[in-house]
Amino acid sequence: QVQLVQSGAEVKKPGASVKVSCKASGYTFTSYGISWVRQAPGQGLEWMGWISAYNGNTNYAQKLQGRVTMTTDTSTSTAYMELRSLRSDDTAVYYCARDLGGTHSPWGQGTLVTVSS
Amino acid sequence: QSALTQPASVSGSPGQSITISCTGTSSDVGGYNYVSWYQQHPGKAPKLMIYDVSNRPSGVSNRFSGSKSGNTASLTISGLQAEDEADYYCSSYTSSSPWVFGGGTKLTVL
Repeated sequence: QVQLVQSGAEVKKPGASVKVSCKASGYTFTSYGISWVRQAPGQGLEWMGWISAYNGNTNYAQKLQGRVTMTTDTSTSTAYMELRSLRSDDTAVYYCARDLGGTHSPWGQGTLVTVSS
Repeated sequence: QSALTQPASVSGSPGQSITISCTGTSSDVGGYNYVSWYQQHPGKAPKLMIYDVSNRPSGVSNRFSGSKSGNTASLTISGLQAEDEADYYCSSYTSSSPWVFGGGTKLTVL
């Protein structure tokens, strides 16, 4: 079955970087994109950006431009999201989701990133 | 890009029907037929329930339906069941972002 499995929880200090992985299985990785969505504690969903697993093209949310980088490794069917210069308001659960024309399904199980001094 | 507007909460009794609205602008909901709805149970990842305004993915109950009129999309759940109690989020393509989510609606089954 189609599945996305994310890396484990992270605790980072303000100013540090975090890199979350998302390993896909059960489908042809390069036929879809991967979107990243985050959810702060008790809050709603926020779209962060998208990467094409076919050619690596990216599209990032304007508010994260310059701090986020999304990449893929087609040899391992894995997508990565790196967020730099972390702040306390970056504390959230980060999800990856298979993306076909903005239809996000399925989603990974989520990765909690805590930013705290 | 501002989030799409959803009611904070809705409720209904088992067997009843409820509708959740998702209001945007002509630059998002009203301008494109790319509205999706997601269900999220506490502590779980979101699950796609409706895509492209009114299409249901394989495996999703036909009690869930979607529609759109002008700048407002709607999710209707008929024959409400206890397992439907969850948070629901709409999402739309936008001319600027390109994707935006609604603020979410908490559905309570009484």
